[in-house]
Amino acid sequence: AQSVTQLDSHVSVSEGTPVLLRCNYSSSYSPSLFWYVQHPNKGLQLLLKYTSAATLVKGINGFEAEFKKSETSFHLTKPSAHMSDAAEYFCVVYSNTGKLIFGQGTTLQVKP
Amino acid sequence: KAGVTQTPRYLIKTRGQQVTLSCSPISGHRSVSWYQQTPGQGLQFLFEYFSETQRNKGNFPGRFSGRQFSNSRSEMNVSTLELGDSALYLCASSLGPGQGSYEQYFGPGTRLTVT
Repeated sequence: AQSVTQLDSHVSVSEGTPVLLRCNYSSSYSPSLFWYVQHPNKGLQLLLKYTSAATLVKGINGFEAEFKKSETSFHLTKPSAHMSDAAEYFCVVYSNTGKLIFGQGTTLQVKP
Repeated sequence: KAGVTQTPRYLIKTRGQQVTLSCSPISGHRSVSWYQQTPGQGLQFLFEYFSETQRNKGNFPGRFSGRQFSNSRSEMNVSTLELGDSALYLCASSLGPGQGSYEQYFGPGTRLTVT
């Protein structure tokens, strides 16, 4: 069965510093992985997706993620945090039963 | 293209009542999935509909049901509401199986409060 584990429930950074949100996955085959962001009282927005084309995936708003099979990781990064990045981030795997499986989420706090 | 729309955005119901939530997918998308989001359980998959047929179902009681219409719009129904059903209900649309793309696009959600 597929699963994802987000290693940090809460991450706090200062504006202008790098962001790292960690995600490990479990899958018996090459997975399709996603990062979604949810701002307060909003739905989820797709940041980026990995579908086995390239291991370094670029997304919207300057975010990117690297798929590392040897480490079963799909960490999300951004070189410089902006106040508007404060939100909850979800690492997601597409299961072989055709549904999305979500991690528990990481709350990103950006301090001025 | 217009995004996924959900109505109503907010709903307050009493225990024992039933509720129907509506979702209109992105034009051209034929698959609609529903999720429940709560602080304690996080995001949990309810069910997925494709071509008016339920394709997948999560681990929720039979009080939760859904349907999809020929224009791909979907509704979900919760009968005999319980306090624990208070949650944000999210609808997501996608092209559908076999289309080579698995990402789903989410609506803003319906916030259901059961009192």
